[in-house]
Amino acid sequence: GAVVSQHPSWVICKSGTSVKIECRSLDFQATTMFWYRQFPKQSLMLMATSNEGSKATYEQGVEKDKFLINHASLTLSTLTVTSAHPEDSSFYICSAKSSDRVREKLFFGSGTQLSVL
Amino acid sequence: LAKTTQPISMDSYEGQEVNITCSHNNIATNDYITWYQQFPSQGPRFIIQGYKTKVTNEVASLFIPADRKSSTLSLPRVSLSDTAVYYCLVGALDNYGQNFVFGPGTRLSVLP
Repeated sequence: GAVVSQHPSWVICKSGTSVKIECRSLDFQATTMFWYRQFPKQSLMLMATSNEGSKATYEQGVEKDKFLINHASLTLSTLTVTSAHPEDSSFYICSAKSSDRVREKLFFGSGTQLSVL
Repeated sequence: LAKTTQPISMDSYEGQEVNITCSHNNIATNDYITWYQQFPSQGPRFIIQGYKTKVTNEVASLFIPADRKSSTLSLPRVSLSDTAVYYCLVGALDNYGQNFVFGPGTRLSVLP
């Protein structure tokens, strides 16, 4: 099956620093990738939709200057949490949609646990 | 986007069959129904997907009635390792800009 690799798995940083999370589709081309965040015991909340070669579309309430998304190739999207603060601590998950129309499903990364001190 | 409704939680015992039903009354013609499983601190894992009638794979079965306003995920003979949150998603990937929105999911607890 299709594999989506997400790195790092966990990161601890000081308040005010920036953190980059990578999401790669390993064996398929992903025209669209999605970024979610998840708090403990809660469901996934969609943050933004990332399309290769164009600007990301952010959900209401998500600060685009805070959460920078770059989708420079068909296999890589990055999420940068800029000037992170403790309230940004969360579990971040990416998913990718295959450009193969036969694969009508999303493939998810393993997630990144971000802890901001 | 079709909104989904699932039970918040379910308990079962090892070896039993578990059926989780999802309601999606406003499902669109081109929407698929997809179920995902999520363990703590992991990304969701694809279980099964269907459009109508019945779909079966090595992990589960998915039953979809003719009106497609609901679907039932069936897990045969669950084990302790099936304790997880199960999400029902309804959407169409072939529309530009469409996305999958997660509901609260069903927290399944399998007891020994």
